[in-house]
Amino acid sequence: EAEVAQSPRYKITEKSQAVAFWCDPISGHATLYWYRQILGQGPELLVQFQDESVVDDSQLPKDRFSAERLKGVDSTLKIQPAELGDSAMYLCASSLEWQGGYNEQFFGPGTRLTVL
Amino acid sequence: TQLLEQSPQFLSIQEGENLTVYCNSSSVFSSLQWYRQEPGEGPVLLVTVVTGGEVKKLKRLTFQFGDARKDSSLHITAAQPGDTGLYLCAGPDNYGQNFVFGPGTRLSVLP
Repeated sequence: EAEVAQSPRYKITEKSQAVAFWCDPISGHATLYWYRQILGQGPELLVQFQDESVVDDSQLPKDRFSAERLKGVDSTLKIQPAELGDSAMYLCASSLEWQGGYNEQFFGPGTRLTVL
Repeated sequence: TQLLEQSPQFLSIQEGENLTVYCNSSSVFSSLQWYRQEPGEGPVLLVTVVTGGEVKKLKRLTFQFGDARKDSSLHITAAQPGDTGLYLCAGPDNYGQNFVFGPGTRLSVLP
């Protein structure tokens, strides 16, 4: 069964360091999402791609976060420099295409980031 | 920003009991989705409700979308330990461009 792959699964870093997360969506899925989930809360959308284009990054802290999906397939989310408040689970999801509220998003296992 | 509230925040019950969790908003949603998330994993879609008053059943789970499309409920009959997890509701924002998630209900079913 096709799955969304993410790596690494766990990352521990010190504040002010740079970190990067990788996501490989399900083959053929045009839409890719990065979410941040703080412990005890629901996921919060950071950025949404349609193919290689950014559809929405209004919640992405652009002073330190960046995301790219150069060839419209896999994607990288980077944080530089990391801050203590960035400790969270970073989830990647993909869907066939954006259809308003009806598309099914398939989530990866996430990357658990701890900033010391 | 449309906000989704969920209640209760935590629920711990014995195996075999019935339960209902709620998802509420002051805004109208064109659709709502329910996800279950297990520890250390990503959320998995359970159901999408679209029409006001709609009821959908998935084995022991019954989902209802309020008539005014501002609220939804999830009822589990005869809960099992395998139902343990974080139940999230989510829906498209006013602009239909991205999803907003509720904070979730953390369910623990004890054997």
